[in-house]
This record gives sequence, structure tokens and C-alpha cells, in this order.
Amino acid sequence: GENVEQHPSTLSVQEGDSAVIKCTYSDSASNYFPWYKQELGKGPQLIIDIRSNVGEKKDQRIAVTLNKTAKHFSLHITETQPEDSAVYFCAASYNQGGKLIFGQGTELSVKP
Amino acid sequence: DADVTQTPRNRITKTGKRIMLECSQTKGHDRMYWYRQDPGLGLRLIYYSFDVKDINKGEISDGYSVSRQAQAKFSLSLESAIPNQTALYFCATSGFDGSGADTQYFGPGTRLTVL
Repeated sequence: GENVEQHPSTLSVQEGDSAVIKCTYSDSASNYFPWYKQELGKGPQLIIDIRSNVGEKKDQRIAVTLNKTAKHFSLHITETQPEDSAVYFCAASYNQGGKLIFGQGTELSVKP
Repeated sequence: DADVTQTPRNRITKTGKRIMLECSQTKGHDRMYWYRQDPGLGLRLIYYSFDVKDINKGEISDGYSVSRQAQAKFSLSLESAIPNQTALYFCATSGFDGSGADTQYFGPGTRLTVL
């Protein structure tokens, strides 16, 4: 079955710096890769997603890149702000969504 | 997300007790899920249901059961709780959005402690 590895487990950056979180997946049939942000005491919320027919997608300060050959995808946050501090999860699915396999999570801390 | 509600939000119970966690959604989606979150392990799928008559086991279904009472309601039961079921439990629902992806929406979670 699908397996998703996420690194790093913790990441600390200064406000204004960029942050990058990386994930690898095992099943080449996976075709949908969402990223979720989980704030303290809340459930995960979708922040951006990418499908396998696209190499990069941007939404304001966040972007996701996908390398299907290497089975890697990454989340990039530019100009980080303290409110970006949260736990971020990547996930993969082979059915344009539905049943997701999640990475282990990255705790991002943005220091003012 | 107010569209997905979970009750209770916190529960402390003892080993051997039967526990039910409830989930309701107002998004009108057919698909619902139960996940468990443990530190360092991410979210792991316990059970999922693609419609009222469809129930499927996820990665870690042992020790759990579910009931899909209606399109909007999906409950998770621990028949005889044990301490290693202490975790944060999330319900989610999904439906195809305008982009063609089956996006998942999560509830606020239930923190369960088994003593």
C-alpha cells in the first residue's frame, strides 16, 4: 500500500524567512497531493493541493511542487508570519482524493 | 470546521468500558471517515464510508467498529477500551469540489483518554 514520509518533523524559522517541508510517496499510482494545516486545538484544514498532471501550484505565499519521477512533493511558504506556526501534514491519494494516506506531520514555529 | 461536529470533545474513561464517538456533518457529502492522531505518527485511517450502505476498514481498524446511521452521521465505537487507544480522534467528510478533487473537511476532534 501507499506510504508517505514527511520531513522535517520540526522546523523553526525567523519571521520573514521561507520554510520548506518535503514529502515522498511510494505508490506511483497516486495522483492527488493535498497539504493540511492544523492549528492548536483544531482539526486539519486544507491549504493547498496539487494533482499529478501539474508540476507546481501557487496561492499567495504558499506553493507546492511535485516531481512525479522522484515521487517527491514539497510545500513552500514564503515571507513567513507568526500565524503560520502550526502542524502541517502532507497526504497522497490515487483516486483524486477520498481515502488519504498522511505523512507524519511537521511542527512549524515562526519566531517574531 | 462548523460543518463537521464531533461529540464529545473530551472524554476520560477506564479500561474495558464501551465508548462511542459521534460525528455529524452538514455539507451534504456522501463520504465520511474516522482518523486517529498520535504524536509523530500523523493521521491514520480507522474506517471510511463512501455512502450509507458502504463501510470499509482503514489502516488500523482492530479494536474499533463504526455505524453509518444516515448520510450525515457516522459514529465510532470502542467496544472495550484499552490504554493504547488514548489519542486524538478526527472525523472527516469529503465531496468533489469545483476543481474535481475529492476534498476532505475535518471536525474539531475528540481527545480520548483511557486509564
